[in-house]
This record gives sequence, C-alpha cells and structure tokens, in this order.
Amino acid sequence: DAGVIQSPRHEVTEMGQEVTLRCKPISGHNSLFWYRQTMMRGLELLIYFNNNVPIDDSGMPEDRFSAKMPNASFSTLKIQPSEPRDSAVYFCASSFPQGPTGELFFGEGSRLTVL
Amino acid sequence: DQQVKQNSPSLSVQEGRISILNCDYTNSMFDYFLWYKKYPAEGPTFLISISSIKDKNEDGRFTVFLNKSAKHLSLHIVPSQPGDSAVYFCAATDVQGAQKLVFGQGTRLTINP
Repeated sequence: DAGVIQSPRHEVTEMGQEVTLRCKPISGHNSLFWYRQTMMRGLELLIYFNNNVPIDDSGMPEDRFSAKMPNASFSTLKIQPSEPRDSAVYFCASSFPQGPTGELFFGEGSRLTVL
Repeated sequence: DQQVKQNSPSLSVQEGRISILNCDYTNSMFDYFLWYKKYPAEGPTFLISISSIKDKNEDGRFTVFLNKSAKHLSLHIVPSQPGDSAVYFCAATDVQGAQKLVFGQGTRLTINP
C-alpha cells in the first residue's frame, strides 16, 4: 500500500518567492496534519484537518502560511512570501482514529531551503 | 513554550547495552504518550505508546515507563542494536486533543559496535 506521499522532496528558492508543498494522505484516512521540523523546536504542528475541514491552525506561524484540503486525497501548504527562517523540513501525516488516539503515518518530508 | 522536552540532543551507547531516552512534559492534561523513531531522509514512524492509566508498556526490546507525578517518561531499549541508531521523538496528547500530538525536540541515538 502506498504511504503518505509528499512533493517536492527538496525545494530551494529565493526569499520572497511563493512555495507550495503538496501531500496525498493514505486512502481512507480522515485526518491530515502538517508538521515542521527544526533543530531547536523539533516537530511543530502547524495545522490539522478532520474530514477536509481545518480544525486547529494555531501553529501556523503567521499570515504568510496557508493550508488547504480541497478533497480527501490532497492537501497543500503554501508560504508566500517565503523567508530564510522558513527553511526546515515539512512533514505531512495522516491517520484514522483508533481508540483514544490514532497513530500518525508520516510522509518522507519536503526539505525547504530559502536563500 | 515547549510542553514536551527532550533535554539530551544526542546519546551514544555500545551495542548490546541498554539505551535510555528521557522525556519531560509540563502539561498535566496530557494522558497519552508516544515514541516515534526517525531515520535520515524518512518520516517518523510510530514505535510504542503508553496511556496514563499505566506506568509501563513493553513491546519486545522496547519498554516505555511513565512517572506521572514527575511528569517524566523514558524509553528503554534492551539490548541496543546498530539498527536502533536514529532520532527518537517523544510525543504527548490528551483525550480532548485526540490526535493533536505535541512532540519534543528529538534525541539522536547512536549505537556503536
């Protein structure tokens, strides 16, 4: 079975440019999460969706970040304009509730470098 | 404000010995805890979890211990193997937050032959 698929795997861009990261969750999973990994803070939750509806976006750093989930099989995380401090690895994860909490299945991540 | 903290960025252990990774949390509402393992260029994968109604959960070579009064949990790996070399993330959530996991900074474990 295919896991969570993210694209691109690597992105190098210049400050001020728009960046779009894409995610395809595991089929049948109804929750989708965007995390950002940095050395200082580890894995930070940016936003998560249940049944395509944004539930909690309190982790989104600022208005430059936006996320959408137009259907159950696709989500995007957009940064406009990008800044060097946005450089990080961005992970998408999906899950299906099992008991008190569902296990998250992560994609391989998108490494973003903003020059 | 880091609600989940892993104070050791790295740990080096000899093959065959016990590896102990530590994690502290500040939010007393957390009642479910997980450990994830991450290899380079891959996403984190679930390793083991524990509910707050327990103080120990064991799965093969991996055991997680929870001390609620100290708000501390630890992951024990016995015996440590070279394939255990990875970054380990501690995570926590509460029933209200359900799947909203709060992760620590991670600890890089290196198993030396």
